[in-house]
Amino acid sequence: DAKTTQPNSMESNEEEPVHLPCNHSTISGTDYIHWYRQLPSQGPEYVIHGLTSNVNNRMASLAIAEDRKSSTLILHRATLRDAAVYYCITDYGGATNKLIFGTGTLLAVQP
Amino acid sequence: SAVISQKPSRDICQRGTSLTIQCQVDSQVTMMFWYRQQPGQSLTLIATANQGSEATYESGFVIDKFPISRPNLTFSTLTVSNMSPEDSSIYLCSVGWTAEPGNTIYFGEGSWLTVV
Repeated sequence: DAKTTQPNSMESNEEEPVHLPCNHSTISGTDYIHWYRQLPSQGPEYVIHGLTSNVNNRMASLAIAEDRKSSTLILHRATLRDAAVYYCITDYGGATNKLIFGTGTLLAVQP
Repeated sequence: SAVISQKPSRDICQRGTSLTIQCQVDSQVTMMFWYRQQPGQSLTLIATANQGSEATYESGFVIDKFPISRPNLTFSTLTVSNMSPEDSSIYLCSVGWTAEPGNTIYFGEGSWLTVV
């Protein structure tokens, strides 16, 4: 069974905020929520991660629901460079250090 | 983060041959992983590379097809053996500094293989 559910694709306009949702209803209490993105022709890039509290960094914000069954990656002002596949990951393959990727959300940013 | 270099970055290979991909990190890391990304697909974990011992393979991947070495804390190789067109993929090395929960891993740029 998939550990996370994400929309296959989303569209945004440049300079507008983007909210990328992720459902992870079977998450355990100790599983972190990681977000990575993959720009065209590049390896995946770490974006942000969190456990229970909302998190902010220079790239994005992560809002985690109180019951931890869902989360939202927030890009505050989308740029054309943010067009990528965004992966939400809560599956660690039964270990604490492996990331198991789902299908992700393809974000298109329109000028 | 770290600088993760993979060689080759791209290659075109003949079916039936084998190719070894190298992953070099500019600092010592605890964890090293190899992923495969088939065209238009997400990433699939092949194995965890263990220093000085046999790699730990995920379901569906075997050592005879994907032998992996990790002689030290900064270097690993993945060999794709007896290649067929179905092996045409991006192969990605990733690294992490700890095995603790919440560990962040970082990726190389990948090795793009086309088998003809």
